[in-house]
Amino acid sequence: GAVVSQHPSWVICKSGTSVKIECRSLDFQATTMFWYRQFPKQSLMLMATSNEGSKATYEQGVEKDKFLINHASLTLSTLTVTSAHPEDSSFYICSATPTRDTMNTEAFFGQGTRLTVV
Amino acid sequence: LAKTTQPISMDSYEGQEVNITCSHNNIATNDYITWYQQFPSQGPRFIIQGYKTKVTNEVASLFIPADRKSSTLSLPRVSLSDTAVYYCLWAAGGYNKLIFGAGTRLAVHP
Repeated sequence: GAVVSQHPSWVICKSGTSVKIECRSLDFQATTMFWYRQFPKQSLMLMATSNEGSKATYEQGVEKDKFLINHASLTLSTLTVTSAHPEDSSFYICSATPTRDTMNTEAFFGQGTRLTVV
Repeated sequence: LAKTTQPISMDSYEGQEVNITCSHNNIATNDYITWYQQFPSQGPRFIIQGYKTKVTNEVASLFIPADRKSSTLSLPRVSLSDTAVYYCLWAAGGYNKLIFGAGTRLAVHP
């Protein structure tokens, strides 16, 4: 099946610094990718929709200036957590669906990135 | 927002069949029902997808009644490695904008 890769798998950063997480579709193109956040023992929460060549669409309550999303190509979306604080520590996951496919088909998820802010 | 209702947790034993039912009263006419599996510290993994009646693949079956307001994921002869969280959902707004509910935490015991 199609592969979505995230990098890094885990990262530890100091409070106040910024961290960039990459999401790549390795063998397909994706016009749209999605970013989720997951806290321990909780479900995935959709943060934003990343659109290739245009601005991301953020879900209600998600600060767009804090979570910068860039989707510069059909195979890469990045999420930058700016001025990270301990409460931003979480598991971040991206997903993508091949552009060529129609709606209602399988979405492929990255392996996730564990962010710890100290 | 897409909303689903599933049991919070289930317990089973190796070799048993497990059925997890999900309610989705507000599913749209054109949306498919999809089930994902998630292990700790990993991204969700697709299990099965269907529109109505029954769908079967190498790992599971999915039963969807005619009114499509619910669906049942059936895992035949579970093993310890099936211990995971199972989510049922459907795409909201197209392009697989998946909204996750609480999911069902399945524990398989020896």
